This record gives sequence, structure tokens and C-alpha cells, in this order.
Amino acid sequence: AAGVIQSPRHLIKEKRETATLKCYPIPRHDTVYWYQQGPGQDPQFLISFYEKMQSDKGSIPDRFSAQQFSDYHSELNMSSLELGDSALYFCASSADSTADGANVLTFGAGSRLTVL
Amino acid sequence: GDSVTQMEGPVTLSEEAFLTINCTYTATGYPSLFWYVQYPGEGLQLLLKATKADDKGSNKGFEATYRKETTSFHLEKGSVQVSDSAVYFCALHSGGYNKLIFGAGTRLAVHP
Repeated sequence: AAGVIQSPRHLIKEKRETATLKCYPIPRHDTVYWYQQGPGQDPQFLISFYEKMQSDKGSIPDRFSAQQFSDYHSELNMSSLELGDSALYFCASSADSTADGANVLTFGAGSRLTVL
Repeated sequence: GDSVTQMEGPVTLSEEAFLTINCTYTATGYPSLFWYVQYPGEGLQLLLKATKADDKGSNKGFEATYRKETTSFHLEKGSVQVSDSAVYFCALHSGGYNKLIFGAGTRLAVHP
């Protein structure tokens, strides 16, 4: 079965550079989420999109922006990178709630960003 | 705001031991509850879920029961294996836009 695809899997950048992460959700999933997981930390919600519109916003820095495109893939753009941005970035997607009312997020394998 | 509290790890067990990882939550309304597992170097995988009080989620020998009276969703397994070594995250489904709120995660290490 198709899963959530993230690219690149690994990325190394210098401070103050820019990085772009891509996410391809499961076909027919209408919602995409971005999470940031620092070393030894729990995933922190950054932002989500429903049908290409921003639907919710969490602890996303102003230096970061994201969008969802017409083909439903999403990109997370990070500028003026700082050392503290080094983390695993997960994308997840979901469809409308299942019959039991639970909305299940399916996560990608993550993109590991290292800022030097 | 809504939150999830998990027991701190790491939890170290011998193979075939009984596992309990405690999880309690604070939420308005009636959240759905989840356990996700993260194996080394991998993404988060849904382990099990429960959507209403007294529901029991189960998968791969793991179980958790949604206890509204104690606001808990403890994860249990009767006999762990080395392959169960991973980080386990309790999570709740909060708000109208379906984002998940995670607990801090509990690392489980199972030794032969």
C-alpha cells in the first residue's frame, strides 16, 4: 500500500541557509500535517493543511512556511536556519474520519535536518 | 490545554516479561486516544486506538483500554519480545482539525 513519502531523508545545511522539505501524502488523503521532533523529544505539531488551505497552526517559527499544492503534496520551507532547527521533520496525512470516528494519521519516515 | 502524560523511561525488561506503560490525559470533550510506536531510525506507526470510553484497542499482543473515569490509556503486553524495543508514544486526537497531541514518549528496551 502507498505510504506517505518524504524527501529528502537527510539534509545537512549551514546556519542561515534555507531548506525545503517535501511530503507526498497517501492518495485521496485530504489533510497533511507537519511535525518537528527534536532529539529525545516528542513530536511537536507545526502546521496542517486541509484541501490545500491552512487548517491549524502550532509552534511553527515565523522563519518557516508551508503550503499544500494542487496535487496535494506539501512543502515546508525553512529559512535563516539555526542550530536548534536540527531535528526530524515528519509529515503525516489523513482522510476524513473513519467509520468509528477516529481520524488516523499516517506518518512518513521523516526528514532528518542537521544544521551545522 | 489538552495534554498527555506518560511514564518516564527507559523501561528495561527481559524477554517474555509483562509490560505496562502508563498514560494519562487531560482534554476537554471526548478525545480519541492512540498509541504510536517508533522503531529506531523510522517514522511513527499507529499501534492501536480507542475512540470512546471503555473501548479496548489491541494489536500485535498490545492492549490499551480507554478509561474515562481515570483519564487513562495504559499500554500493556503480556509477553514482550526483543523486537518490541522501540519508543512508544501515547497521543490524543484534539480539536476540530484532527491534530495529534503526543506524550513525551517512553523508550522500551527488551533484552534476551
